Amino acid sequence: GQNIDQPTEMTATEGAIVQINCTYQTSGFNGLFWYQQHAGEAPTFLSYNVLDGLEEKGRFSSFLSRSKGYSYLLLKELQMKDSASYLCANTGGGNKLTFGTGTQLKVEL
Amino acid sequence: DVKVTQSSRYLVKRTGEKVFLECVQDMDHENMFWYRQDPGLGLRLIYFSYDVKMKEKGDIPEGYSVSREKKERFSLILESASTNQTSMYLCASSSPRTSGGAHNSYEQYFGPGTRLTVT
Repeated sequence: GQNIDQPTEMTATEGAIVQINCTYQTSGFNGLFWYQQHAGEAPTFLSYNVLDGLEEKGRFSSFLSRSKGYSYLLLKELQMKDSASYLCANTGGGNKLTFGTGTQLKVEL
Repeated sequence: DVKVTQSSRYLVKRTGEKVFLECVQDMDHENMFWYRQDPGLGLRLIYFSYDVKMKEKGDIPEGYSVSREKKERFSLILESASTNQTSMYLCASSSPRTSGGAHNSYEQYFGPGTRLTVT
């Protein structure tokens, strides 16, 4: 199976750094996505990892460890607009994605 | 620019009605997906299609059917709507893309969603 676990909620301060963790079952794993979803809107793509290590893209970075079935999304220099739900998803087989339930991030002043 | 559109943002239907949700993408993608999203349950895959006239069941297909007569259009059908089908429905499309080396990814592009209420 492709069960995915991520925290339900997190709170952080504007300007700080926050790390959102995601764990998944490793059988049949083929790649790990992170999406951002603002309330009432569609998910939008943030990052994709298929190899171990850190991928950096501006204020956002994503890390993958395939052997541990673990990923995290790192958000730096937090802004109020980063308040959103962050969805972890993996490609267990071919075209399909399996999503976690999402982590609701609240950025406070 | 990538675009996935859905026929309605908000829809209210009565129990027992037949409901059609339409999704169109303009990216010539092979793969199309229908999800529903509910609080605490996340995105759950209902059906997907990897080619015209092809369909595959997702994790929660019961009570739904789909149609893909043209590559750009993927329809979700609720044969007899029930109150437990009240939800946000999201359509997505994808096509394999390279992500360095020989690896392919299947980044999905989502439509704006249809919030369906069944009374």
